[in-house]
Amino acid sequence: DGGITQSPKYLFRKEGQNVTLSCEQNLNHDAMYWYRQDPGQGLRLIYYSQIVNDFQKGDIAEGYSVSREKKESFPLTVTSAQKNPTAFYLCASSIEPSGGAGRNEQFFGPGTRLTVL
Amino acid sequence: GEDVEQSLFLSVREGDSSVINCTYTDSSSTYLYWYKQEPGAGLQLLTYIFSNMDMKQDQRLTVLLNKKDKHLSLRIADTQTGDSAIYFCAEVLTGSARQLTFGSGTQLTVLP
Repeated sequence: DGGITQSPKYLFRKEGQNVTLSCEQNLNHDAMYWYRQDPGQGLRLIYYSQIVNDFQKGDIAEGYSVSREKKESFPLTVTSAQKNPTAFYLCASSIEPSGGAGRNEQFFGPGTRLTVL
Repeated sequence: GEDVEQSLFLSVREGDSSVINCTYTDSSSTYLYWYKQEPGAGLQLLTYIFSNMDMKQDQRLTVLLNKKDKHLSLRIADTQTGDSAIYFCAEVLTGSARQLTFGSGTQLTVLP
């Protein structure tokens, strides 16, 4: 089955530690995205990548870093510089990068809930 | 502030129709989407509408688009308890690398 997987489902971190969230897709999609979701708020874009070895900051990139060394993988690192990292993190992918004429329909993974202790 | 606005909560009785409303800001949006999120899960695309359409129906779901007022709605007919979830509308902003902008989500609660 094609889809997007995120791991782990739950993650606990002590203050001052970096932590990396995994996102893998086997849909052969070019574009991948990381969102943060807080209660009562919509999704906010952290980083996105339109193609391998390239990525751009979203609206709330401070305190986060990403890499895109492989088409199918887009890991997100939450660094100690992120002041309030406790949230639900969602990864998504779409078949085409920006500039396409299509729907840019995004498919989402199941999410990782990060809690800072 | 939100570019896409939704009311936060909606409660309906099982079997009734639900109408979830959304207002958006970019009049040049090409596609508008409705996503469903069940507790602790990712988002599932329910339906979409292209901006040159007024209405789209897909089984129990009806999407209405009023471009003049920048208003989008999702109607769920014969609402079931399994429809209880958070519903997000989203628009593609032009000139923004075609990123999706999401509303804050509407929590739909279906009462027995």
